[in-house]
Amino acid sequence: GAGVSQSPRYKVTKRGQDVALRCDPISGHVSLYWYRQALGQGPEFLTYFNYEAQQDKSGLPNDRFSAERPEGSISTLTIQRTEQRDSAMYRCASSLAPPGQGRWTEAFFGQGTRLTVV
Amino acid sequence: KQEVTQIPAALSVPEGENLVLNCSFTDSAIYNLQWFRQDPGKGLTSLLLIQSSQREQTSGRLNASLDKSSGRSTLYIAASQPGDSATYLCAVPNTDKLIFGTGTRLQVFP
Repeated sequence: GAGVSQSPRYKVTKRGQDVALRCDPISGHVSLYWYRQALGQGPEFLTYFNYEAQQDKSGLPNDRFSAERPEGSISTLTIQRTEQRDSAMYRCASSLAPPGQGRWTEAFFGQGTRLTVV
Repeated sequence: KQEVTQIPAALSVPEGENLVLNCSFTDSAIYNLQWFRQDPGKGLTSLLLIQSSQREQTSGRLNASLDKSSGRSTLYIAASQPGDSATYLCAVPNTDKLIFGTGTRLQVFP
């Protein structure tokens, strides 16, 4: 597609429910990232994929959070047993190559999913 | 550990002014630096990417500079317009991730 697409745009869920957030990166982009952004803060890294391989999940806050990218394209971030502290904007980004590998590392972000846990 | 700081946190100016937004980073061993714009309720828009071998990058009324040795980048906005009102974020790569500053919230009033 023309840009990074995330769905849903908004999600309100009850505490304890599981949620799945979807990211469709720019076609041909090898690298895919998930970030979480609290109000008034910059985005914080959650996890990173190179093709279908999850290269880094050091930013996932706990084992309720998981992500996959089974075919190296669309990715899903799943949060199990949601808690109110999980409420935030979840952002996905993609790039042609991983950061630090030259000019083709510009990251492009989707519009985000605003998650509210009530 | 790479840390990114942006100053000022907020800025309110009349239309037409030339602006300088500052970004500082603690680890100067970076390949590039990227500036983003964030509008309320919307995604992050990439504005400029400066490679470590460059000192400046320009796009329209925007000019970004990079001084790796001092750990600084500046985003210069010429002849500001109300449509420039947004939060501006800088980010540097650290291994496989981008590290973001907390942003400068800019308001340009008519």
